[in-house]
Amino acid sequence: RKEVEQDPGPFNVPEGATVAFNCTYSNSASQSFFWYRQDCRKEPKLLMSVYSSGNEDGRFTAQLNRASQYISLLIRDSKLSDSATYLCVVGSGNTPLVFGKGTRLSVIA
Amino acid sequence: EAGVAQSPRYKIIEKRQSVAFWCNPISGHATLYWYQQILGQGPKLLIQFQNNGVVDDSQLPKDRFSAERLKGVDSTLKIQPAKLEDSAVYLCASSPDRHEAFFGQGTRLTVV
Repeated sequence: RKEVEQDPGPFNVPEGATVAFNCTYSNSASQSFFWYRQDCRKEPKLLMSVYSSGNEDGRFTAQLNRASQYISLLIRDSKLSDSATYLCVVGSGNTPLVFGKGTRLSVIA
Repeated sequence: EAGVAQSPRYKIIEKRQSVAFWCNPISGHATLYWYQQILGQGPKLLIQFQNNGVVDDSQLPKDRFSAERLKGVDSTLKIQPAKLEDSAVYLCASSPDRHEAFFGQGTRLTVV
């Protein structure tokens, strides 16, 4: 089983739609969870950290389920500018950050 | 605040040649990472430094790749000799606390 698994997509959604991405991780000792965004031919940038209680930042909501080793990202009211690849990232105190392969999102007018 | 600086931005070399990449992390960040990102995939860790010591280099192909971080600041990654499959973007990232990572723009390497 891969350390961090994501559905590669692509997800093609119309503007205004709600879209959800899922990610599973294999290391039960993982302590840090993030979603990064990567635009085409650019470097990854932190979108948001994921906390045990779940957290929201504007149109973005992240959830963590430790029992199922599962992380999700929900984007509401999708904008054209949300088109990008979303990378699920997992880390622990002693190991480096491990990236998933990313899920590609295209928001269509 | 200045970000992570990398150079060069682009490099084209022939197979079996050598190449070196340079990274200057964000000031004060103790942790420095080198990642390799092949087109269509997520970044794959090559090596992690904590100050000037190596924390994890288990995925670094040591027969051809080497990296150093002198004085716990700048870092260089070298490939010698390069293979076609080394064509990728090499991303340097730094972190203040081994958690959130801040990335440089990367070096796009093409081996022909």
